[in-house]
Formats: sequence, structure tokens, C-alpha cells
Amino acid sequence: SQQGEEDPQALSIQEGENATMNCSYKTSINNLQWYRQNSGRGLVHLILIRSNEREKHSGRLRVTLDTSKKSSSLLITASRAADTASYFCATDAGSQGNLIFGKGTKLSVKP
Amino acid sequence: EAGVVQSPRYKIIEKKQPVAFWCNPISGHNTLYWYRQNLGQGPELLIRYENEEAVDDSQLPKDRFSAERLKGVDSTLKIQPAELGDSAVYLCASSPGGGQPQHFGDGTRLSIL
Repeated sequence: SQQGEEDPQALSIQEGENATMNCSYKTSINNLQWYRQNSGRGLVHLILIRSNEREKHSGRLRVTLDTSKKSSSLLITASRAADTASYFCATDAGSQGNLIFGKGTKLSVKP
Repeated sequence: EAGVVQSPRYKIIEKKQPVAFWCNPISGHNTLYWYRQNLGQGPELLIRYENEEAVDDSQLPKDRFSAERLKGVDSTLKIQPAELGDSAVYLCASSPGGGQPQHFGDGTRLSIL
């Protein structure tokens, strides 16, 4: 079963624009993580935000977490063609430390 | 550091045949995961190891799937016999444990004819 749901399913933007992806989940969590997956490759960890944190930055990435709404957002600023990939949120609900992934947002950045 | 290595990258077999996937995790990572990823979906956990012990195999279809992690390092995942619905990408991941982020291999893309 998949707890997280990303929105939108697909997003197409021009290089230099910002991209925002949202994730909603159902149960209480210990932390929420975002991963990127390039076509035909494995997932790469981007950022982890704990349940007691509200915002976190890493380079051009900004993640927010609203535990009252059970939602998170990933903002990529000044996007580049190399950011083209699928982005997944994953929740750690503390049950044996396993991650539950959403279906992902497919981002296309046009040069 | 070397990443998670999986082989083969691609496998095409006929239904009812057996198939095996191999994973070499990052050195020192005690926790190893096998996931299945269907087209257009996120990964779904099949089994998780802590060292050589399978601590969560609740999502592993045990009638046809088996896994092992000898000596707590490399791991193999086997399907016997394969069914058409097993077509997917099988991903291996490892982590140091303790809620640390997971590191993924590039997966094995399995196609069943």
C-alpha cells in the first residue's frame, strides 16, 4: 500500500522557473524524505525533514512539512534541464523504520 | 564510496521460469532492502534485512519469492516460478540503519514473456 500521494502527477516547466511538488500522507510520521529518480536509474536521496521541523533547505531545494495537514512540499528553484526526473516523497511512520513511497511527480524541465 | 551494485540490469524470461537478482550493498551498511517498482509507481518494500536477519518480510509473496543475505553482506532475491505480473523493476537499497536515508542501486528490469 502507498501512503504518500504526490501532486501533480506530471509537471512541465521552462528552465529557470521554479517547480513545486506536493505530497500528502495519511498517518503520523517520524520523518518525511524526498527522493529523485532519473529514467532507468535508482532513487537518490535529496532531503529528510523530521516531524518536529517545519522547513528545510538544501541548495536549490526547499522542503516544508505541515503535520497538522499531513502534507509536505518540495520547491526546486531556478530549475535546470538536469532536474528532469521523477520525484518521490517517502514517509517513515516508525513501524520498523520502513519507508512508504508515493507514486511520484514526473518533472520535465525544457531548455 | 562505491554505491549499491545490482545485477543483472535487465532480464527477460518466459513465465514459469526461475530468476534471481543479486545485490551488493554499500560497505558497512547493516540494513538492506528489496523493493519492487511497477511502471508509474513508487517502490514497494518486499523485504528488509538487519545484518543477516530478515526482520520484515510481510510483503514478500512467499509462495514464489525467496531471499537470502548470507554473512550479512550480499543478498539475492529469487522468483520461482515467475508469473506475467512479476514484470517490474526490482530495486535494492542499503542504509546504515537508525532511520538514515537509503541508498539505491539502479535496479534489475524484469520482463516476463
